[in-house]
Amino acid sequence: DAGVTQSPTHLIKTRGQQVTLRCSPKSGHDTVSWYQQALGQGPQFIFQYYEEEERQRGNFPDRFSGHQFPNYSSELNVNALWLGDSALYLCASSLGPSQGSHEQYFGPGTRLTVT
Amino acid sequence: GNSVTQMEGPVTLSEEAFLTINCTYTATGYPSLFWYVQYPGEGLQLLLKATKADDKGSNKGFEATYRKETTSFHLEKGSVQVSDSAVYFCALSRSGGYQKVTFGIGTKLQVIP
Repeated sequence: DAGVTQSPTHLIKTRGQQVTLRCSPKSGHDTVSWYQQALGQGPQFIFQYYEEEERQRGNFPDRFSGHQFPNYSSELNVNALWLGDSALYLCASSLGPSQGSHEQYFGPGTRLTVT
Repeated sequence: GNSVTQMEGPVTLSEEAFLTINCTYTATGYPSLFWYVQYPGEGLQLLLKATKADDKGSNKGFEATYRKETTSFHLEKGSVQVSDSAVYFCALSRSGGYQKVTFGIGTKLQVIP
């Protein structure tokens, strides 16, 4: 049973550029959430997708956007990168809101470095 | 809003010592509570969970009890091993509906032989 997968593993970008990160959820899961984990901090919620729509959003600017595809995989896009966007980006998958599960399963993350 | 406060590390223990990592939370209603563990260079793994008051979550020798009266969910282990060295995150999510997880800052545990 494949768990949550993310790509790429590492990424280096220049300030002002745009980046796309990808996530495939655990088999059977239909909800994907994205988190940003700065060095030495706990993960911060960015947004959550279910049925191809953004359902919840954390306190992140519009430079952060996402998409969910019919196969439940998801992308996180960040435009106009800042140095402060350097972090580990975690994807988590879970069952939909009607199924009552509280567990989110996390992928290994994508380490983004902005120079 | 929801928040989680956990003791700051790092915590350094000798092998076979007793571990306690304190965690308190602020939330409306009855959230679900979690402990996640992050090993070096890896993502987060769910260690244990509790979904209602007085529930005890347990896994791999770790335990935590959901205390509604003190809004706490302290992590304990009777005898730590070197392989337990990692960062531990206390977290919560509300029950039902669309759930986001709110994390504490994390506590780094180092176990020395």
